[in-house]
Amino acid sequence: DTEVTQTPKHLVMGMTNKKSLKCEQHMGHRAMYWYKQKAKKPPELMFVYSYEKLSINESVPSRFSPECPNSSLLNLHLHALQPEDSALYLCASSPEGQGPQNEKLFFGSGTQLSVL
Amino acid sequence: AQTVTQSQPEMSVQEAETVTLSCTYDTSESDYYLFWYKQPPSRQMILVIRQEAYKQQNATENRFSVNFQKAAKSFSLKISDSQLGDAAMYFCAYTGGGADGLTFGKGTHLIIQP
Repeated sequence: DTEVTQTPKHLVMGMTNKKSLKCEQHMGHRAMYWYKQKAKKPPELMFVYSYEKLSINESVPSRFSPECPNSSLLNLHLHALQPEDSALYLCASSPEGQGPQNEKLFFGSGTQLSVL
Repeated sequence: AQTVTQSQPEMSVQEAETVTLSCTYDTSESDYYLFWYKQPPSRQMILVIRQEAYKQQNATENRFSVNFQKAAKSFSLKISDSQLGDAAMYFCAYTGGGADGLTFGKGTHLIIQP
């Protein structure tokens, strides 16, 4: 299994809703990432979990909350989002600590989020 | 902080011809990794090719090859025998490794003319 699976593929939510995005990989990777990508822009790093330790991009607002229940799962909890948060949210994983030949990120197909 | 610059917002090439996409980067690190990712309209990020900075030999993957110039901090992608399926946004990316994540350039939109 060489896939990173993201659900749902599409999500529409109101500004008062609470929702969660889910990401899963079964490649034994010990680092997982959340990226945000606006249309016609490059992905921007939001969060990194490496060996279950969280690193945060300080520009990310607190209405985004990551959770890593185990080394295979990564969730992104969404609360009180704004219309400008509408974007493609990409999850990725990488095989940390497995040698330089394995330094690369595997991406999921993303969740397209629309905030109304 | 590391930066990645792609100076070509859009490139167009005839099918079966060769095209080169440019990328420069800035870093103070000596060991790092460079990548080209392809993002077609489906928006799936697909790894095209990667280069380890400590390796002098340029990476190749079938029709895709890179010209890595470490001193000039340049990392261009050459696509030979362009095919319609190569049409996509191409992102150059950098990481220092160790779960740093990737820093992306702004991307080059590649159009393949039949």
